Amino acid sequence: QQQVKQSPQSLIVQKGGISIINCAYENTAFDYFPWYQQFPGKGPALLIAIRPDVSEKKEGRFTISFNKSAKQFSLHIMDSQPGDSATYFCAANAGGTSYGKLTFGQGTILTVHP
Amino acid sequence: GAGVSQTPSNKVTEKGKYVELRCDPISGHTALYWYRQSLGQGPEFLIYFQGTGAADDSGLPNDRFFAVRPEGSVSTLKIQRTERGDSAVYLCASSSQGLGTEAFFGQGTRLTVV
Repeated sequence: QQQVKQSPQSLIVQKGGISIINCAYENTAFDYFPWYQQFPGKGPALLIAIRPDVSEKKEGRFTISFNKSAKQFSLHIMDSQPGDSATYFCAANAGGTSYGKLTFGQGTILTVHP
Repeated sequence: GAGVSQTPSNKVTEKGKYVELRCDPISGHTALYWYRQSLGQGPEFLIYFQGTGAADDSGLPNDRFFAVRPEGSVSTLKIQRTERGDSAVYLCASSSQGLGTEAFFGQGTRLTVV
């Protein structure tokens, strides 16, 4: 029940295209859903996050769509750039005093071709 | 200081040896987290400190793993009788106290047990 399932494992898009990564969860206690970006040899860095009281959040080229009834959320990267090539992780947190205890998905390796 | 600092960046040890991994959180951050990331996987939660005390150690895999944070700042993850299966990147994150506070990750320590 603690798992967060992420797909696809890898994704190749052309520059300027839209990258879409999906996640699903079971634990209804989750109430904070961040996406992290990780480059090789670096730690994960927060990209964007959403709470279940909204269905969508947009920051620049990055948008999270959230479907509470389906227990699914997704990351959309518009106008994908080669610099976006990285591993992306969705995650979830069951609340409490901080958002640091996270359950991560398995990751998606995104490659954006120029 | 800058971000979360972890030392060493890389550690190679022989099976059965004892290792210590260090984490310097962002100054003023009261919450500190340890995660383990195996190759091709998302980070897995190990332990969470609030101040000096371990608030949640439910992710520690067995009693060979132990972590301390004696003064509420620097933390050390200790692994006894290392096994080849302990090989992974160990990530540390910190956050300030309170709801909605982002966790910032260090670059990790890559542990290789030979």
